[in-house]
Amino acid sequence: DADVTQTPRNRITKTGKRIMLECSQTKGHDRMYWYRQDPGLGLRLIYYSFDVKDINKGEISDGYSVSRQAQAKFSLSLESAIPNQTALYFCATSDFMVLRSVAEYNEQFFGPGTRLTVL
Amino acid sequence: AQSVAQPEDQVNVAEGNPLTVKCTYSVSGNPYLFWYVQYPNRGLQFLLKYITGDNLVKGSYGFEAEFNKSQTSFHLKKPSALVSDSALYFCAVRDVNSGGYQKVTFGTGTKLQVIP
Repeated sequence: DADVTQTPRNRITKTGKRIMLECSQTKGHDRMYWYRQDPGLGLRLIYYSFDVKDINKGEISDGYSVSRQAQAKFSLSLESAIPNQTALYFCATSDFMVLRSVAEYNEQFFGPGTRLTVL
Repeated sequence: AQSVAQPEDQVNVAEGNPLTVKCTYSVSGNPYLFWYVQYPNRGLQFLLKYITGDNLVKGSYGFEAEFNKSQTSFHLKKPSALVSDSALYFCAVRDVNSGGYQKVTFGTGTKLQVIP
């Protein structure tokens, strides 16, 4: 887990505030992801990035934006936080290889999470 | 569309007994399957994966999982449970044959409680 770090670990904010969650990795992976975890819903993908110039929306990107400042850094922003964005947020990274002409997507490495509370 | 189901929210097992955490999946092509574990206040940690080959996959901490294509299942098993195995377990799937990027779909998680 130390290879993928997230700051802050906990944050309480108010409705309407802008907040940024930061993720850094030392694994040298090109692929990075942001997920949110809600009880009973598992993990849902917010955004993913395959390299610095490649940003893609996940299944629940509304209300969020991201910035890939470098290979090692991937930030998630809530432009105007709302209470239903209260959740546990995880950053993850992965490597991949091409095996027999098929891109093999390897396992993901997760950060420790940021617990965000929006009042 | 791909999906994964973990039918049990919680599994209780006595220490020393075998444990099974169930997972079934649905994909249009062939699956990549993963198991992750989440300890309290920690991120998810990779346990094992099935890509191809032997249906019995061995992973970290003595865990193993059996891929069953006919039953579309990938149950996680361990012969003898430890109290330290108590955690939240996630099954995940990705469709191998989909074009472009296909995200990994995670299950809702199963809480494993090992009773001393």
